[in-house]
Amino acid sequence: RKEVEQDPGPFNVPEGATVAFNCTYSNSASQSFFWYRQDCRKEPKLLMSVYSSGNEDGRFTAQLNRASQYISLLIRDSKLSDSATYLCVVNNPAGNKLTFGGGTRVLVKP
Amino acid sequence: SAVISQKPSRDICQRGTSLTIQCQVDSQVTMMFWYRQQPGQSLTLIATANQGSEATYESGFVIDKFPISRPNLTFSTLTVSNMSPEDSSIYLCSVDGTRTGNTIYFGEGSWLTVV
Repeated sequence: RKEVEQDPGPFNVPEGATVAFNCTYSNSASQSFFWYRQDCRKEPKLLMSVYSSGNEDGRFTAQLNRASQYISLLIRDSKLSDSATYLCVVNNPAGNKLTFGGGTRVLVKP
Repeated sequence: SAVISQKPSRDICQRGTSLTIQCQVDSQVTMMFWYRQQPGQSLTLIATANQGSEATYESGFVIDKFPISRPNLTFSTLTVSNMSPEDSSIYLCSVDGTRTGNTIYFGEGSWLTVV
């Protein structure tokens, strides 16, 4: 089982719709979780950290479910500019290293 | 977040040659990392660049193939040695954005194609 797994997609989303996707992680001792966004042929950029209580940043909402070992990202009122690959990142407590998921591709269409 | 500059941004290299990628940060940072992202894949950590000492390599990566320098707290280089087409990839420099090193930020990447 991979340390961090994501549905690669693509998720084809009509503009204005809501899309949500999950990321599962295998190490129950993981403490820190993040969502990064990567545009085509660009470097990954931090979208948001994921807190235990869940957090919201504008149209983006991140949730953490420790019991089932997954995090989620929900995008409301999707914009064309939201089209990107969303990378799930989990901290590996042993060595304090980050492990990246394979990414979920989202395509928002008019 | 820190401003991270990488050079070259892209290059086409002959197999068997070596290329050094430079990473410059606009502020002193404790942790600097080098990642590789092969076509269609996610990011894989190559090594942690330690200031004043040898880099710490991840499983599957060795110093002879990817020598790293870290002469100070704002600069690092990664060399991809004796390149083969399998080394065609994006190489990303990153730095930690918090004291705990949990959040990292990336340079724009160096796109290498080996022919």
